[in-house]
Amino acid sequence: EDKVVQSPLSLVVHEGDTVTLNCSYEVTNFRSLLWYKQEKKAPTFLFMLTSSGIEKKSGRLSSILDKKELFSILNITATQTGDSAVYLCAVVYAGGTSYGKLTFGQGTILTVHP
Amino acid sequence: DAMVIQNPRYQVTQFGKPVTLSCSQTLNHNVMYWYQQKSSQAPKLLFHYYDKDFNNEADTPDNFQSRRPNTSFCFLDIRSPGLGDAAMYLCATSRLIIRGGVGYTFGSGTRLTVV
Repeated sequence: EDKVVQSPLSLVVHEGDTVTLNCSYEVTNFRSLLWYKQEKKAPTFLFMLTSSGIEKKSGRLSSILDKKELFSILNITATQTGDSAVYLCAVVYAGGTSYGKLTFGQGTILTVHP
Repeated sequence: DAMVIQNPRYQVTQFGKPVTLSCSQTLNHNVMYWYQQKSSQAPKLLFHYYDKDFNNEADTPDNFQSRRPNTSFCFLDIRSPGLGDAAMYLCATSRLIIRGGVGYTFGSGTRLTVV
């Protein structure tokens, strides 16, 4: 059975800390992996990762994919209270009628205290 | 701006009373998806349209139906809403690219309350 597992499920840090969120997957027909940030609304796109070993960066956020070990990490440096949210990773399927379908992990709840 | 628009943002319906949620897009994406997200859970795919081809997930209840009359619009019909159907319903679109990644865009969601 295909699955996407995120860890930790929740994380509480103080402003300025660096955090690493993990996403491992076991899926057939992997195409790419997406990271989203979700506050009390629809998910906001962060990164799309298709190739192994190529780091994507956006400000204080960065992410990388390891297709051999089947995981991805999302790093946030110098955290701010505005980073408090649920972070979701999702795998995009490549083949058949599932083409383009997303399967989400359960999310990591990040809380950043002042 | 090209985007995915869901209406309404909040919907309250009575137990057992049919309700329709709508999604429109100006991106001209060929695939449209409906996800259900219950409180504190990850989004779960209900079904999707690849052009006019409808693809239902195996565990999507029969109570949920969808229509896509044209490229721009997609509707989610809940025939007899139960209390357990209260959730955020997310519409998404994608343009599947043969090489490279998938352009994926979510709407702002409709939060459904069943009373």
